[in-house]
Amino acid sequence: AQTVTQSQPEMSVQEAETVTLSCTYDTSESDYYLFWYKQPPSRQMILVIRQEAYKQQNATENRFSVNFQKAAKSFSLKISDSQLGDAAMYFCAYRGQGGSEKLVFGKGMKLTVNP
Amino acid sequence: DVKVTQSSRYLVKRTGEKVFLECVQDMDHENMFWYRQDPGLGLRLIYFSYDVKMKEKGDIPEGYSVSREKKERFSLILESASTNQTSMYLCASSLPSRGVPQHFGDGTRLSIL
Repeated sequence: AQTVTQSQPEMSVQEAETVTLSCTYDTSESDYYLFWYKQPPSRQMILVIRQEAYKQQNATENRFSVNFQKAAKSFSLKISDSQLGDAAMYFCAYRGQGGSEKLVFGKGMKLTVNP
Repeated sequence: DVKVTQSSRYLVKRTGEKVFLECVQDMDHENMFWYRQDPGLGLRLIYFSYDVKMKEKGDIPEGYSVSREKKERFSLILESASTNQTSMYLCASSLPSRGVPQHFGDGTRLSIL
């Protein structure tokens, strides 16, 4: 079974600085998708960014980018120019080749942004 | 924008009660999911459905059942609520494609007393 590990339960960053959130996963599949979701205090989970495993180019969305290392099974999220609104729980998630289309989530990481 | 609506934001019930959590999506998505979120455990899949009247067990189905009589609505049922089912429950929906994201509701914080 696939597993997703977020080893840091909490991190903090100063406003306007850059922070990197780590995620590793374990799978025997070669084709899969990886996602980062954000859950602010309002509770709704919001997709931040996604990466297709067969694409070597790292995904970017404005201030958010990933460092996808397939061989190392690592999928870190970099937030540049951190803003107060980035404060949230961040979850890394995996979706594999199986027919269930379910997501496997990490345990999450709480990001605090200090003014 | 996709809208996933959960019927209650907060809910308090008593041990032994039958509890219904309702979820409605407005984008004609085939897939719908129920997750449970607990601190330090992340999100764990309870049940999902890929079509009307179709359902599959997730990772933690014990003590729960689901119903999907209409495409837009997916209900989670706690047959006899217990205190260990106190948790945040999240509903999600998606198209039937691996690469598309799931869209989540705002969650229901359920307390069983």
